[in-house]
Amino acid sequence: NAGVTQTPKFQVLKTGQSMTLQCAQDMNHNSMYWYRQDPGMGLRLIYYSASEGTTDKGEVPNGYNVSRLNKREFSLRLESAAPSQTSVYFCASSPGTGVDEQYFGPGTRLTVT
Amino acid sequence: KQEVTQIPAALSVPEGENLVLNCSFTDSAIYNLQWFRQDPGKGLTSLLLIQSSQREQTSGRLNASLDKSSGRSTLYIAASQPGDSATYLCAPPDTGRRALTFGSGTRLQVQP
Repeated sequence: NAGVTQTPKFQVLKTGQSMTLQCAQDMNHNSMYWYRQDPGMGLRLIYYSASEGTTDKGEVPNGYNVSRLNKREFSLRLESAAPSQTSVYFCASSPGTGVDEQYFGPGTRLTVT
Repeated sequence: KQEVTQIPAALSVPEGENLVLNCSFTDSAIYNLQWFRQDPGKGLTSLLLIQSSQREQTSGRLNASLDKSSGRSTLYIAASQPGDSATYLCAPPDTGRRALTFGSGTRLQVQP
């Protein structure tokens, strides 16, 4: 099992560019999550998906969109990147539809100049 | 809104010491709490998941306790080793959002 995988590992964007962060899990988990981690602020929830076909906003959703393509994949899109979106992005998954044990991917380090 | 505080923010100890990392949270209506380890530049590794029905959960040299009524959890590390150097994160659920809420972590350095 690869667990939770994320691509790319690193990305540099210019302000206004768009990109999609990819996440996949091979554990047959129902719930998937996107968090961002900024220095001194801990991880904050951007969006989550409790099951295939559903998505909900988290604490900091502005400037992002998500797609739960199927049970395995959950992508995060930045339509028009801003320097404030410079961060490390983590995808996570958990087996149920509630908050049980979460498993994290290795992260994507994004810099917006 | 769930808020999490971890004390101390940073800790440096000589190898072999027993450690206690503290976590407090504001919303005690939780049914579990997860502890993670994060190495610099890496993702989060789950250490322990403790259910609200348990008072303690153990894995090797790690022991986590949970006291819902007081809104506290502790992570005890026995006989610390340099390989334990990392940031430790406490994460109870924010039930309303059905996700985890994180503290800023305790950055641990174990000196050989």
